[in-house]
Amino acid sequence: ELKVEQNPLFLSMQEGKNYTIYCNYSTTSDRLYWYRQDPGKSLESLFVLLSNGAVKQEGRLMASLDTKARLSTLHITAAVHDLSATYFCAVDVETSGSRLTFGEGTQLTVNP
Amino acid sequence: DARVTQTPRHKVTEMGQEVTMRCQPILGHNTVFWYRQTMMQGLELLAYFRNRAPLDDSGMPKDRFSAEMPDATLATLKIQPSEPRDSAVYFCASPRTENTEAFFGQGTRLTVV
Repeated sequence: ELKVEQNPLFLSMQEGKNYTIYCNYSTTSDRLYWYRQDPGKSLESLFVLLSNGAVKQEGRLMASLDTKARLSTLHITAAVHDLSATYFCAVDVETSGSRLTFGEGTQLTVNP
Repeated sequence: DARVTQTPRHKVTEMGQEVTMRCQPILGHNTVFWYRQTMMQGLELLAYFRNRAPLDDSGMPKDRFSAEMPDATLATLKIQPSEPRDSAVYFCASPRTENTEAFFGQGTRLTVV
């Protein structure tokens, strides 16, 4: 059974600081997704990582994938309050695509 | 404006009642997922369809849950009879193709009292 684990589960950080969220998964996959969820809202796609060594960046967020280590990271640079949300990674192991198993989520709070 | 549309957005019902949740996937997306989100269990896959055929519904309690996709524009998730432990947010999601992200609907927040 595929397991997807994120850490930390809760992260409180100050504006302007950098931090990394980690996503480990238990079986071979080269498709990993990052989502953002605001309280009471739906999930919004952030990044799609489809190969070993893939790196994607959008604003203050950068995601990477190491399929050999079964690890993805979401790096936050110079955090701002607007980044406060819950971040999920999700792994897809289906050969025909898109059956996602989600991590527990990392609840990020950025304090002024 | 391409989006996944779910109805109703909120539903409060009494234990034992039937609940039907509806999802309109993005036109042309041939895969539809149903997820349930709770504080305790996080996001769980209940069922998914490709080209309207059910591929996996192993995440659903079979005795009370059923999922169908009668046509390409409508997917339904039914609970009969509903129980308080079914209280959760139910999301429908559809990816455009393989290896693309799934777009999520706004969810149906279900409360069973």
